[in-house]
Parts: sequence; C-alpha cells; structure tokens
Amino acid sequence: AQSVTQLGSHVSVSEGALVLLRCNYSSSVPPYLFWYVQYPNQGLQLLLKYTTGATLVKGINGFEAEFKKSETSFHLTKPSAHMSDAAEYFCAVTKVNDYKLSFGAGTTVTVRA
Amino acid sequence: EAGVTQSPTHLIKTRGQQATLRCSPISGHTSVYWYQQALGLGLQFLLWYDEGEERNRGNFPPRFSGRQFPNYSSELNVNALELEDSALYLCASSSEIQGTYEQYFGPGTRLTVT
Repeated sequence: AQSVTQLGSHVSVSEGALVLLRCNYSSSVPPYLFWYVQYPNQGLQLLLKYTTGATLVKGINGFEAEFKKSETSFHLTKPSAHMSDAAEYFCAVTKVNDYKLSFGAGTTVTVRA
Repeated sequence: EAGVTQSPTHLIKTRGQQATLRCSPISGHTSVYWYQQALGLGLQFLLWYDEGEERNRGNFPPRFSGRQFPNYSSELNVNALELEDSALYLCASSSEIQGTYEQYFGPGTRLTVT
C-alpha cells in the first residue's frame, strides 16, 4: 500500500519569500510522485512529476521538487512566492501498473503582501 | 486542445435519490478516473475505467457505479444518496501511450445532498 503525508495543513509566506511544502511517502516499490495545485472551486492542475531519471524536477510556475529516496521525500519549493500562488497543494503517489493516485491531505498556502 | 470536461457543474439532490455525473476525457485518452473530494476526508480514489472496462475501484459501497462509453466518456452513478455523499467529484483522464501515469483533471461536479 502507498500513502502520502504532507506536513503542515497550512503555510503562510510573505510575497517574495521561499515556499517550501513537505511531502513524505511510503511505498513498497519505486514510486511515481506528483504535485498538483487546486485553486478555489476548480479542479487539480499538475505542477510537476517524478517518474524516473533526474531527481530534481522542474515544473510550471517556477516550482520544483526533489525526489530523495533515502528520506522518502518529495518536497516542493519555489524561490519567490507570488500572490497568485495562494491555493491548495496536493502531493500524490502511484506506482507501476497501479494507475490510481493516492493523495496527501493537502497544504493550503496563503501569501501575505 | 480541450481539457477534461464535466457536467453538470452543480447538482442538488435529496437523500435517497440517484445522481448521474458525466465526464469527457481529453481527446486520445482512453483511461478515466473518478475521485471524491469530501470535506474532511480529502481526495479519495473511486473508480478507474480503461477501454470500456472497470479496472479498479476504491473503498466505496456498490451504490457508487459507473461506466465508460465507446467514445471513452464516462458516467458516475450514485444510488440511494446519503448526506455524506455531498462532495466535489473530480474526473481525470490519462493516456498510457505517454507512459507517465500523469492524470489530467476536470473542474469537478459539486454534488449537494439535502
């Protein structure tokens, strides 16, 4: 079974500050990892993904994440927060031949002017 | 390229009724997934359809069912509605051809059971 833990249900950052959202996973086999963003009253938008290869993954809107197998982590970062980054962020995991996504509980990001 | 579309946007039903939610995947995608996003319960996998067949289902009772049509669109049916079925229902699609397992989500259907 796979599971995802997102540390911190709510993160508040100042505009221009670093955004760091933490995600730890448990999986018995090599995982595929994803970060999605959800704006109010909308569906999920894929930010970035890790499947194989380079462990530092760059996504849309200036976000990136690093897969660290030894720490079973896939933390999401953005060097400089923008007001438009205010949203809820979900980390998700799946594995080869599984196809369904298991999501973390989500982290809500607010950006202070 | 059009994204995943879902209808209706909002649906209000009373307890005991049936609800039907619809999803059209991205053109070329053959897999459709349904997820429930209920307050306090997070995002939970409901059903996966591929090539017209149900491939997997999550931990939901049988009154949650669905089907996939030859054009790969999908329908989710919820029978004997209960108050706790109130949630945002998200549909996603993917293409195994890409081999990346990434799923693209629609805007969701907000189901309210009164």
